[in-house]
Amino acid sequence: EVQLVESGGGLVQPGGSLRLSCAASGFNFDDSAMHWVRQAPGKGLEWVSGISWNSGSIDYTDSVKGRFTMSRDNAKNSLYLQMSSLRPEDTAFYYCAKDKGSSARRTGPFDIWGQGTVVTVSS
Amino acid sequence: QSVLTQPPSASGTPGQRVTISCSGSSSNIGSYTVNWYQQLPGTAPKLLIYNINQRPSGVPDRFSGSKSGTSASLAISGLQSEDEADYYCAAWDDSLYVWVFGGGTKLTVL
Repeated sequence: EVQLVESGGGLVQPGGSLRLSCAASGFNFDDSAMHWVRQAPGKGLEWVSGISWNSGSIDYTDSVKGRFTMSRDNAKNSLYLQMSSLRPEDTAFYYCAKDKGSSARRTGPFDIWGQGTVVTVSS
Repeated sequence: QSVLTQPPSASGTPGQRVTISCSGSSSNIGSYTVNWYQQLPGTAPKLLIYNINQRPSGVPDRFSGSKSGTSASLAISGLQSEDEADYYCAAWDDSLYVWVFGGGTKLTVL
């Protein structure tokens, strides 16, 4: 079964750090680009970051540049999002999503989604 | 304010046909393919339509997509109660160098 399982979410104070993980199974992880997409409470979807199959290209939305770092370990079929200098506006459900292709740019689509992990930034 | 513009809501009665629009620009929809996602209440998003009008395995042919210039549309025919969900369009934006989503359309089946 193709599956993505996120973990690592939780409550963190403003300015704090958190590392999200996404465990992939049921498909050739090292052939696929991957993404992180978030959804603030009651709001729409927002793309956060994308990484190509070999980590050769990594892109971020402007609001997280310099604060978030996306990475992957193909040997462990795992995806990561290191988040630092967290702000209340980063509070959201964070989903990892598989790209149908090997590049994280231009075509997609995001054909498999995890169930998400909640990040709450509050004092 | 989302880069792609969708109506916040849409509605229809069972059996009806409804369409949801998604308006963008030359740097996103005008240049690249459009994908649609369905998010049922309390669940993760699911790919519904990709490459403008392709359906993943398991998606009924009641769902269809189209694109013209810098706009795209999702059509749902034979509306069913289980279609009640939020629908999002998405495309790559070559000016912003990011993936952009529409703000989402909440579909209500009356």
